[in-house]
Amino acid sequence: AQSVTQLGSHVSVSEGALVLLRCNYSSSVPPYLFWYVQYPNQGLQLLLKYTSAATLVKGINGFEAEFKKSETSFHLTKPSAHMSDAAEYFCAVSDNFGNEKLTFGTGTRLTIIP
Amino acid sequence: DGGITQSPKYLFRKEGQNVTLSCEQNLNHDAMYWYRQDPGQGLRLIYYSQIVNDFQKGDIAEGYSVSREKKESFPLTVTSAQKNPTAFYLCASSPTENSPLHFGNGTRLTVT
Repeated sequence: AQSVTQLGSHVSVSEGALVLLRCNYSSSVPPYLFWYVQYPNQGLQLLLKYTSAATLVKGINGFEAEFKKSETSFHLTKPSAHMSDAAEYFCAVSDNFGNEKLTFGTGTRLTIIP
Repeated sequence: DGGITQSPKYLFRKEGQNVTLSCEQNLNHDAMYWYRQDPGQGLRLIYYSQIVNDFQKGDIAEGYSVSREKKESFPLTVTSAQKNPTAFYLCASSPTENSPLHFGNGTRLTVT
């Protein structure tokens, strides 16, 4: 069985500063990893996914994440925060590529300080 | 534009009543899913369907029922047996069970 932990339920950064959202996973097999973003009162939107190809994955809106097997991590970063990045971010893991096996983290709410 | 439509956006019901949440997609996706989202928790899978006229229980199916009579529709019924029905419900679809999920904008159900 797999699990995912997102450290920090709330993260605040200043506009223009680095965004770093942490995600650690547990999986008995090579995992498939995802980051989703949710704007208020909306559904989730896929930011990026890791499926055992390149360890550095680039997504939409300038976000990227790096898969580090030794640290069992898949942290999400963006070099310069924008006000429009304010949202909740979910990390998810699956031990196969079937959506019914997808396990979501508890989410990190990102606030951008003007 | 293709997408997933969930209606209504807000729904209020009295305890003991069944209520059905609508989910329609025009993406021609085979797979559809229902998730429940509670504050401070991740999404939890209620039911999923990989093909018309077939569906499977997810992690928290008790107190819920679904049907998949048409490819584009996957309604969720929250029955009176569901002990804590107040939540944000998200419907999702994917072209196959192995493709990333596309989500609707959710229905917020409040039961008093």
